[in-house]
Amino acid sequence: QQQVKQSPQSLIVQKGGISIINCAYENTAFDYFPWYQQFPGKGPALLIAIRPDVSEKKEGRFTISFNKSAKQFSLHIMDSQPGDSATYFCAATYTGGFKTIFGAGTRLFVKA
Amino acid sequence: GAVVSQHPSRVICKSGTSVKIECRSLDFQATTMFWYRQFPKQSLMLMATSNEGSKATYEQGVEKDKFLINHASLTLSTLTVTSAHPEDSSFYICSASLPAGGPHEQYFGPGTRLTVT
Repeated sequence: QQQVKQSPQSLIVQKGGISIINCAYENTAFDYFPWYQQFPGKGPALLIAIRPDVSEKKEGRFTISFNKSAKQFSLHIMDSQPGDSATYFCAATYTGGFKTIFGAGTRLFVKA
Repeated sequence: GAVVSQHPSRVICKSGTSVKIECRSLDFQATTMFWYRQFPKQSLMLMATSNEGSKATYEQGVEKDKFLINHASLTLSTLTVTSAHPEDSSFYICSASLPAGGPHEQYFGPGTRLTVT
C-alpha cells in the first residue's frame, strides 16, 4: 500500500516530442506528489509537484496531470529537448508522514 | 534558496576504515534530514531520518551501528560508514526538508560516491 508504481522504465522520444511518464499509488492518505529530475552522478532536483485538490499543474514545458479517483498521476514534458535526458522519479508523501515514497524511476532519452 | 551541500563528493577508502559524509543546508534551517542510498540505475532507498537533537530513525534492514547518523545542528547532519566493506560502495544522498513549507518539500544534496577497495 506504500508503493508508488512508475512506468515506463525507459523512454526514448524525438526532439520536440511529448514525453509522458505515469505513476499510480494505493495509499489514499498521500497528499503531495512531487516529481524529481536526476542527472547522472547528481542528486535529484525537485521539478514540479501537485496536491490532490487540483487536476493539473503546469510549469513551463512540464505538466502534471492528476486523477484522484484512479489514483494516478503523470508527468508530461512538452517540446522535449536533449537536455531533458535524465532519470525522472515520481513520489508521494502525506502530511505528518515525512517519509517520501519514490517510484522506480524512468530513464528518458531525447534524441536530437 | 533551499540549497543542500554534501562533502565529500567522492571518496575512496580501504576496507575496514570509517568514512564520514557531511550534509549541510546552506540557506535554511532543517529540522529533518534524510539519508538515502542509491545503487546504479535504481531508485532512492531511504536509510534513515535524522532529526536535530534526537536519535535518527533507521529504516528496516539498515544497521544503525554501521551507519552512524548525527544531526548536531539545524544545518548539519553527518553519516559515518563504520568499518566499510566493498558492499558499502554506493551513491549516498542526503536531503533536507523545509520546516515552514511543510514536511513535504525535500531538497537534495549532490550526493557522495563512496568506493571501498
